[in-house]
Amino acid sequence: DAGVIQSPRHEVTEMGQEVTLRCKPISGHNSLFWYRQTMMRGLELLIYFNNNVPIDDSGMPEDRFSAKMPNASFSTLKIQPSEPRDSAVYFCASSSTGGGSPLHFGNGTRLTVT
Amino acid sequence: GDSVTQMEGPVTLSEEAFLTINCTYTATGYPSLFWYVQYPGEGLQLLLKATKADDKGSNKGFEATYRKETTSFHLEKGSVQVSDSAVYFCALSDSGSGNTGKLIFGQGTTLQVKP
Repeated sequence: DAGVIQSPRHEVTEMGQEVTLRCKPISGHNSLFWYRQTMMRGLELLIYFNNNVPIDDSGMPEDRFSAKMPNASFSTLKIQPSEPRDSAVYFCASSSTGGGSPLHFGNGTRLTVT
Repeated sequence: GDSVTQMEGPVTLSEEAFLTINCTYTATGYPSLFWYVQYPGEGLQLLLKATKADDKGSNKGFEATYRKETTSFHLEKGSVQVSDSAVYFCALSDSGSGNTGKLIFGQGTTLQVKP
């Protein structure tokens, strides 16, 4: 299995630009999670989907952030407009439903907004 | 709501020393418990898990026992190596999220092993 695939691995952009992060979950997994990791705030859950439906987006910091999951094999996290404080590593993770199911993480996208 | 508390780091040890990283939790119901490891520049990887009380999860020389009476899931290793240097996260399955697979993570503990 290829695991969770995220792209790009690194993104450098200027303040005000739109940024789109992409994720392909493991085939057969029906839950997908977007996390953000920074030194200051640690690992934060932004939003998660179950069967392509957003379940909880209370972690999305502002209206500048949006996420979609148009089908079971693809999700995007968009930031528009981007700001320097959005600089972080963004992780996507997927899992099967079930109380003992572990999360499988991608290798993350390191975003730098200048 | 459910929560996880880990010991603060960084933890610095010499090679071959004994490792304990404490993890305690609060939860309604009977969550599954997990330890994840994150190496520099990578995503989190599942290290071990336990799904019910008194279960012991183990992998790569690491062990943790699900202790319901003390609501703990401490990570241990008898002899650490330099290659074990990483950030370790304790997590539990969120009983309030139905069966969606959502986990609640602790804040992470950085382990540095010196030769």
